[in-house]
Amino acid sequence: QVQLQESGPGVVKPSETLSLTCTVSGYSIGTGYSLIYWGWIRQSPEKGLEWIGSLYNSASTYYNPSLKGRVSMSLDTSKNQISLDLAFVTAADAAVYFCARNRSGAGFFDLWGRGTLVAVSS
Amino acid sequence: EIVMTQSPDSLALSLGERATINCRSSQTVFDTSNSKNYLAWYQQKPGQSPKLLIHWASTRESGVPDRFSGSGSGTDFTLTISSLQPEDVAVYYCQQYYFTPPITFGQGTRLDIK
Repeated sequence: QVQLQESGPGVVKPSETLSLTCTVSGYSIGTGYSLIYWGWIRQSPEKGLEWIGSLYNSASTYYNPSLKGRVSMSLDTSKNQISLDLAFVTAADAAVYFCARNRSGAGFFDLWGRGTLVAVSS
Repeated sequence: EIVMTQSPDSLALSLGERATINCRSSQTVFDTSNSKNYLAWYQQKPGQSPKLLIHWASTRESGVPDRFSGSGSGTDFTLTISSLQPEDVAVYYCQQYYFTPPITFGQGTRLDIK
């Protein structure tokens, strides 16, 4: 079955860029004529669940305006991965980061990875 | 941005009791063009990622027990668990996907066994 697995550095220094990867198994993200979107959501005690962004392909991306242009998402079909970059991190970006599948393009997430914990510390 | 507000923040019930969790959106999430409410419910157990229970406000996801049901329209929605089971202990979230970006979630409702 389809599975999602997030990976990343665990700790990022303030003002640096956080880079995370979501590896998809059981499905080729390069499949054409698909309605599937891929999303990133984070969770912290302070903000709860916060949608970061979603992408259909590298040309169709939607980001949370609250992240003010710091976020970028892309697909690597050769590695079957979805990547997330978040620039200029602060302590407020510390959270568990999930990647998730939006199978219909409608906006709800039917499959989630287990999440990866990110701390921000110098 | 649509703000999602859940009530109560937490509740504790006895096994077999009915659980009712409410979710209110600051704007309607009902699309008159297709008569759909863009509202989903998730369950998150401790140490796990959220699991989709309900979408389109009342459509149960495949494999979800039928004791879970969703109702409501416009700005007011309810998740009901008809007979509480031990495995239902979790935090429940609503999410709107109508007015995006951004997609927004409620703050969560913690459900425990009394």
